[in-house]
Amino acid sequence: DVKVTQSSRYLVKRTGEKVFLECVQDMDHENMFWYRQDPGLGLRLIYFSYDVKMKEKGDIPEGYSVSREKKERFSLILESASTNQTSMYLCASTNPGTGIGKLFFGSGTQLSVL
Amino acid sequence: EDQVTQSPEALRLQEGESSSLNCSYTVSGLRGLFWYRQDPGKGPEFLFTLYSAGEEKEKERLKATLTKKESFLHITAPKPEDSATYLCAVQVVRDDYKLSFGAGTTVTVRA
Repeated sequence: DVKVTQSSRYLVKRTGEKVFLECVQDMDHENMFWYRQDPGLGLRLIYFSYDVKMKEKGDIPEGYSVSREKKERFSLILESASTNQTSMYLCASTNPGTGIGKLFFGSGTQLSVL
Repeated sequence: EDQVTQSPEALRLQEGESSSLNCSYTVSGLRGLFWYRQDPGKGPEFLFTLYSAGEEKEKERLKATLTKKESFLHITAPKPEDSATYLCAVQVVRDDYKLSFGAGTTVTVRA
């Protein structure tokens, strides 16, 4: 069974902290994505990666960076956490052959920044 | 700017009471429209892909349809296990990697 694993289910951080969210997929997918989900706003794309060491900005990249050193792992970094980054963060992956619309999501990390 | 709007925000149904969810979109060049189901505390799970007006897809009690301006997700004779948030997303022709999601419709089915 395909799996996308996010390292933490819940995370509480202080304003100004550097935060790392990790995501691992076991499907040998080329494409990986980070979304945030907020009530009433839907999912918004932060960053995506279409290959190892490649990254592209999504719609809301400000305050975030990413790292993809290995094909299976895609990390989201909050350089200096702020309260407006409190949100549900979802990692997803897919392959070009499957189609970008068929994303496989992890269970999410609920981040609270105090 | 591409827009995806889902209605209603919430839907409460009695078991067996069929209904429909709406996803309307304003985009320049639709490549595909996708439906997902999201259970509380979990990530979205893919349901359907629709590519062209007139297309229909079915899975158990769910049926998705597509017109040039909107998509409907019909739930026939729902059961409590159909309770979830249903999300739609669109991909436009100029974007190889990006999906634009609606805010979702939360469906609650009472026994």
